[in-house]
Amino acid sequence: GESVGLHLPTLSVQEGDNSIINCAYSNSASDYFIWYKQESGKGPQFIIDIRSNMDKRQGQRVTVLLNKTVKHLSLQIAATQPGDSAVYFCAENNDYKLSFGAGTTVTVRA
Amino acid sequence: EAGVAQSPRYKIIEKRQSVAFWCNPISGHATLYWYQQILGQGPKLLIQFQNNGVVDDSQLPKDRFSAERLKGVDSTLKIQPAKLEDSAVYLCASRLQGFTEAFFGQGTRLTVV
Repeated sequence: GESVGLHLPTLSVQEGDNSIINCAYSNSASDYFIWYKQESGKGPQFIIDIRSNMDKRQGQRVTVLLNKTVKHLSLQIAATQPGDSAVYFCAENNDYKLSFGAGTTVTVRA
Repeated sequence: EAGVAQSPRYKIIEKRQSVAFWCNPISGHATLYWYQQILGQGPKLLIQFQNNGVVDDSQLPKDRFSAERLKGVDSTLKIQPAKLEDSAVYLCASRLQGFTEAFFGQGTRLTVV
């Protein structure tokens, strides 16, 4: 079946560096994509979303890039901070149903 | 603004017992979701409600799982009888109609022994 997946299960980043988290999707009918952050013991928290008719969207310290040609999206976090340590999920939306990938665990080194 | 409330936070039961989880969505949010998140995996949609009607329950194991949202506000998810593989975090989320962002509760961690 079609699903959303992440390239790497873990990512270790030096504090202050930029982080890039990648995600591949297979359902070309998805109308938008969302990045969620999940800290230990908490539910997923919305970070940023992007519609399928866009290729880039920026938020505060975060940028999401969408490449529909290769069905790939990425989340870039600028100047990574210790508070950014969490599991990051990409999700795709179809008819207001969210399908999540397995997640990437980001660890920030001091 | 109050977030999505779930209870209990933790539950330990023996296999073949029954268990129920409760969710109170954000006020005014017509769409409510229940997700199952097994350790190390992403959340998997179990059921989606629009007000008190079921929109999608295709991935709900209906032989043992049931959910209701009788008045279109609070929702309960029940498992009867529980199996070891039901051990997971059960997340409730809600969304305001016309908006893309879904808000999640903290979840209920279920351990079946």
